[in-house]
Amino acid sequence: DVKVTQSSRYLVKRTGEKVFLECVQDMDHENMFWYRQDPGLGLRLIYFSYDVKMKEKGDIPEGYSVSREKKERFSLILESASTNQTSMYLCASSSSGPSTDTQYFGPGTRLTVL
Amino acid sequence: GNSVTQMEGPVTLSEEAFLTINCTYTATGYPSLFWYVQYPGEGLQLLLKATKADDKGSNKGFEATYRKETTSFHLEKGSVQVSDSAVYFCALLPYGNNRLAFGKGNQVVVIP
Repeated sequence: DVKVTQSSRYLVKRTGEKVFLECVQDMDHENMFWYRQDPGLGLRLIYFSYDVKMKEKGDIPEGYSVSREKKERFSLILESASTNQTSMYLCASSSSGPSTDTQYFGPGTRLTVL
Repeated sequence: GNSVTQMEGPVTLSEEAFLTINCTYTATGYPSLFWYVQYPGEGLQLLLKATKADDKGSNKGFEATYRKETTSFHLEKGSVQVSDSAVYFCALLPYGNNRLAFGKGNQVVVIP
């Protein structure tokens, strides 16, 4: 079974803090994704990566950056957290092989910025 | 562009009732279509998928058929259980693309 893990289930931070959200997958997937989920807005793509050290902006990249130094790990960074970044953050991964379509999700990190 | 539309509002129904959640899409080419489920406090899990027209995806008693003529992928289950209470997301993946487009989700509440 594919397993995607996220470093924290719940996180509380102060405005202006630098925040790191970590995601690890164990299936040797090439593609990794970060989404945020908000009531009434569904899931929105923040960034994705299709290879180590490669990244592409999603629909809402402002205020975020990412890092992918190893294939299995994809980090989301909030350089200076703000209250409007309070949200549920979901990481996902997928293969670039023959079955390229299915994305597998982690359990999510619920971030509160005070 | 690529987009997914799900019916508005939560769905509340009694145990053993029939469930339908509508999903229509706009896409160029031949996308793959998915239903994901999110149980309370958890991430998304793939429920079922279909990769070409007329394919039927099925899992755990849920079914959805890829209808190209009506650009739809409606989710159905004949007899729901309380444990089916969750949020259901329809999604599409454009051909040759890694970016999923999600609908806004439907909260389903099953009452005993």
